Amino acid sequence: EAGVAQSPRYKIIEKRQSVAFWCNPISGHATLYWYQQILGQGPKLLIQFQNNGVVDDSQLPKDRFSAERLKGVDSTLKIQPAKLEDSAVYLCASSLTRDTEAFFGQGTRLTVV
Amino acid sequence: AQSVTQPDIHITVSEGASLELRCNYSYGATPYLFWYVQSPGQGLQLLLKYFSGDTLVQGIKGFEAEFKRSQSSFNLRKPSVHWSDAAEYFCAVGAYGNKLVFGAGTILRVKS
Repeated sequence: EAGVAQSPRYKIIEKRQSVAFWCNPISGHATLYWYQQILGQGPKLLIQFQNNGVVDDSQLPKDRFSAERLKGVDSTLKIQPAKLEDSAVYLCASSLTRDTEAFFGQGTRLTVV
Repeated sequence: AQSVTQPDIHITVSEGASLELRCNYSYGATPYLFWYVQSPGQGLQLLLKYFSGDTLVQGIKGFEAEFKRSQSSFNLRKPSVHWSDAAEYFCAVGAYGNKLVFGAGTILRVKS
């Protein structure tokens, strides 16, 4: 069974630039999550989708971050404009339903300089 | 709101020695509790989870954890550590809907 795929693996951008991350969840998984993991901290949930609808985006900085999950499969997370403090690993995860095990991708490491 | 505390930032154990990683949580109801492991450059892998029932939970790679409601703890244990266990370990607490709140992690170093 293929796992959660994320791209790119690494990205370096200058502050005020924009960036987008892509996630392909495990086939058939209805729930998709984006987490932000800052160095030295545990992952923090940014947004949770159930199919193509948003369940929880309470910790998403909506002035600069946006996410979508068109057709309830792939998802993209965008940052515009990026700030230095956005440097982190962005993890995508998916689960079959909202209360089953979440499987994580390898993440995208973003460095903002 | 739920929260997780992992008191130890780093732990070093000798190969073959036993291991216990501490986790304390704060949550208003019976929590869903998880332990994940993360190797450098890798995503998170679920080691074990507790939803209900037996408070001693067995996981993969020889790990186990015990839920103690009176102490709000969910400590991870392994009787004999292998060098390949060196990684960062995260405890997490979740509510229905799998919204996980993670601790800051404990980095495990294994010395030969």
